[in-house]
Amino acid sequence: GDSVTQMEGPVTLSEEAFLTINCTYTATGYPSLFWYVQYPGEGLQLLLKATKADDKGSNKGFEATYRKETTSFHLEKGSVQVSDSAVYFCALKDSDSNYQLIWGAGTKLIIKP
Amino acid sequence: DAGVIQSPRHEVTEMGQEVTLRCKPISGHDYLFWYRQTMMRGLELLIYFNNNVPIDDSGMPEDRFSAKMPNASFSTLKIQPSEPRDSAVYFCASSLWQGGAEAFFGQGTRLTVV
Repeated sequence: GDSVTQMEGPVTLSEEAFLTINCTYTATGYPSLFWYVQYPGEGLQLLLKATKADDKGSNKGFEATYRKETTSFHLEKGSVQVSDSAVYFCALKDSDSNYQLIWGAGTKLIIKP
Repeated sequence: DAGVIQSPRHEVTEMGQEVTLRCKPISGHDYLFWYRQTMMRGLELLIYFNNNVPIDDSGMPEDRFSAKMPNASFSTLKIQPSEPRDSAVYFCASSLWQGGAEAFFGQGTRLTVV
């Protein structure tokens, strides 16, 4: 079945550092891919998405490119801020899973000033 | 639209009591999901509905848990009787059917069973 694997956290960086959070997936169909962010005490909210191969999703300085050849959707940001501290979830939706979201385990990001 | 609305935001109850969590999805969305989040187990899908019909309840922990969606604008998750290990944050989310459509989450209900 479909699955999503994320790098384990926590990831601790200094402010203005470059961020990469790895995400790889397994899917039998042609999934859409998502990154969600959860700030402390809040629900999950969509950060960005990509619906087909080679698409790049971007929002708030974050980017991720849908790489079908490597089955990856890594999240990147050039210069992180303390306010980016949160838990980040990678997820996919596939026709073979009846379009339910398949989630990664989440990666906690801690940014130190 | 006000987004997905969950109530209550916080619930503290004694072991053995019945607990009912409520959710109002975004109007027009076809799918509704109930999730549970804990430190130990992360984010778990409990059940989801498509057009008010339960599609997959394999994530429901045991018979103490039940969920209903009597109409397109309301769903409940009930725990009877509640136990301390049910303490968690419960999220409701809704989505359109299309593959590229994202899910929108409510703010969650933090349940504490003492």
